[in-house]
Amino acid sequence: NAGVTQTPKFQVLKTGQSMTLQCAQDMNHNSMYWYRQDPGMGLRLIYYSASEGTTDKGEVPNGYNVSRLNKREFSLRLESAAPSQTSVYFCATEGGRGPIYSDTQYFGPGTRLTVL
Amino acid sequence: RKEVEQDPGPFNVPEGATVAFNCTYSNSASQSFFWYRQDCRKEPKLLMSVYSSGNEDGRFTAQLNRASQYISLLIRDSKLSDSATYLCVAPPRAYSGTYKYIFGTGTRLKVLA
Repeated sequence: NAGVTQTPKFQVLKTGQSMTLQCAQDMNHNSMYWYRQDPGMGLRLIYYSASEGTTDKGEVPNGYNVSRLNKREFSLRLESAAPSQTSVYFCATEGGRGPIYSDTQYFGPGTRLTVL
Repeated sequence: RKEVEQDPGPFNVPEGATVAFNCTYSNSASQSFFWYRQDCRKEPKLLMSVYSSGNEDGRFTAQLNRASQYISLLIRDSKLSDSATYLCVAPPRAYSGTYKYIFGTGTRLKVLA
């Protein structure tokens, strides 16, 4: 039971290059999220997917696209990377909703991206 | 005012000490929170949930003060391994129609030998 996995772990890109960050979960969770974390900024939501087939923008979606391929997989694509996108990217799932409370999130190990 | 605010620290404490962090929130309708622990350059991991009744797990105690709108985390008998950043998180309320978790920027704790 791997939980939430992300590939690659590290990546260096040149400005203008494109790449896709992969995220997969075996927890059977409906909701999945992409965050970026920069020093002193905390976690910022890029995109989320409430369920298979749906995606929505978060706080900082510019420069990114996402695909919810199926229930297990949620990918993040940088079409034309910029130095401002240098960051650590975390994928997360949500455990679900009770009648009052939301469950916690479960995070993948992250992808450390540097754009030169 | 930020929705969730934390003192960034660092809190430098000797091994064995008791340390407490607070986290303030602005949405008075929030009923539950999470404390996550994040080690350097690693993913956040759930430490404990906080509801109106509070929560205790070994050396860790979390309380929710709805009147003053803050959450606290108390760590007793600090260990070197407790050194990390502690994130306060407000989850979306059920049936709110939102999926956004609100993260504080974290409080850094360093436990010194």
